[in-house]
Amino acid sequence: GQNIDQPTEMTATEGAIVQINCTYQTSGFNGLFWYQQHAGEAPTFLSYNVLDGLEEKGRFSSFLSRSKGYSYLLLKELQMKDSASYLCAVQDSNYQLIWGAGTKLIIKP
Amino acid sequence: IAGITQAPTSQILAAGRRMTLRCTQDMRHNAMYWYRQDLGLGLRLIHYSNTAGTTGKGEVPDGYSVSRANTDDFPLTLASAVPSQTSVYFCASSDDPTLGNEQFFGPGTRLTVL
Repeated sequence: GQNIDQPTEMTATEGAIVQINCTYQTSGFNGLFWYQQHAGEAPTFLSYNVLDGLEEKGRFSSFLSRSKGYSYLLLKELQMKDSASYLCAVQDSNYQLIWGAGTKLIIKP
Repeated sequence: IAGITQAPTSQILAAGRRMTLRCTQDMRHNAMYWYRQDLGLGLRLIHYSNTAGTTGKGEVPDGYSVSRANTDDFPLTLASAVPSQTSVYFCASSDDPTLGNEQFFGPGTRLTVL
């Protein structure tokens, strides 16, 4: 079957760094996406990885290891506005996205 | 219109009634998608369309139908609503997904079936 696993909830402190992990087992792999979703709002795109390694985009970085079926999203210099759910999604062999349940990130001052 | 819009924003519906959720995009994206999002679960694909005139079934298509008469519009119809269809529904669109293009989401429709 297809499975995307990520922690349900994480807590971090403003100004700190947090790493959100995602492991996957899917029928085929054509890339991995991270999205941010604030409560009551639509998901918005953060990053895309298709090759192994680290992609950096400002305060956010995303890492992929295809051989391990593993990715993480790294958020630096946390701000209160980063409080949101972070969704991991894998593009399968049909180029459809399979979504994890999301990680709710709580930022404390 | 800027981006992707959905209507209505929210709706309370009696079981057994027919309902169409509307979705319109102005980005000229070929691919469009309908998802439902339920607490504790990931987004689940209901139906998709890779280009105008074609549609396909996703993970949870039963009880739903779609049409894609043109590039911009992708309505989702519940023929006879049931309480298990209570959910938040998101429409999304993208450029060619085989090129790693991200999906853009509408604001969602919150549907309650009583």
